[in-house]
Amino acid sequence: DGGITQSPKYLFRKEGQNVTLSCEQNLNHDAMYWYRQDPGQGLRLIYYSQIVNDFQKGDIAEGYSVSREKKESFPLTVTSAQKNPTAFYLCASSRGLAGGPVEQFFGPGTRLTVL
Amino acid sequence: GQNIDQPTEMTATEGAIVQINCTYQTSGFNGLFWYQQHAGEAPTFLSYNVLDGLEEKGRFSSFLSRSKGYSYLLLKELQMKDSASYLCAVRDQRGSTLGRLYFGRGTQLTVWP
Repeated sequence: DGGITQSPKYLFRKEGQNVTLSCEQNLNHDAMYWYRQDPGQGLRLIYYSQIVNDFQKGDIAEGYSVSREKKESFPLTVTSAQKNPTAFYLCASSRGLAGGPVEQFFGPGTRLTVL
Repeated sequence: GQNIDQPTEMTATEGAIVQINCTYQTSGFNGLFWYQQHAGEAPTFLSYNVLDGLEEKGRFSSFLSRSKGYSYLLLKELQMKDSASYLCAVRDQRGSTLGRLYFGRGTQLTVWP
């Protein structure tokens, strides 16, 4: 089945450690996105990528890094510079950037807790 | 950027109709999306509007007025499983950020029996 996978669902790390969250899609989508969601908050965009080997900062990119070496994969690294990393992280993908009902499809999310 | 506003919480009873409003201020507009998100799960796509008017899809309908920067999601014949957060999102049309979505904070809907 086509879809987006994120692993693991729950992740615990000690403060000061970098951690990488995986996101894989087999939908053949060009665009991929990373969002952060905190309780009572909407989705805030961290990074997005419109095409392989290219990505742009979203609204809250500080303390995060990404890579897009393959169309299917868009891993997110939460670095020790991120001051408040505990959150629910969602990866999404979409067909492209043109108009029309090009909705974003979301993965199941990773809940990161930094102790 | 975009400024998207929607109520934080709403409650309704099973079988009723509820309307969730969303207002937005944008420097570029290329469509409005509604998503449903159950607690701890990923958002799922509900509807899309880019032209003024009503889009109906089963028990759910979505309306858009571009001149007023206003949309609503209408849920009919409410069921307990409709208890969820409903997210309004506006898509940017500017070149460098084309395609990205700006999300509101979500409206937590609770359906009572």
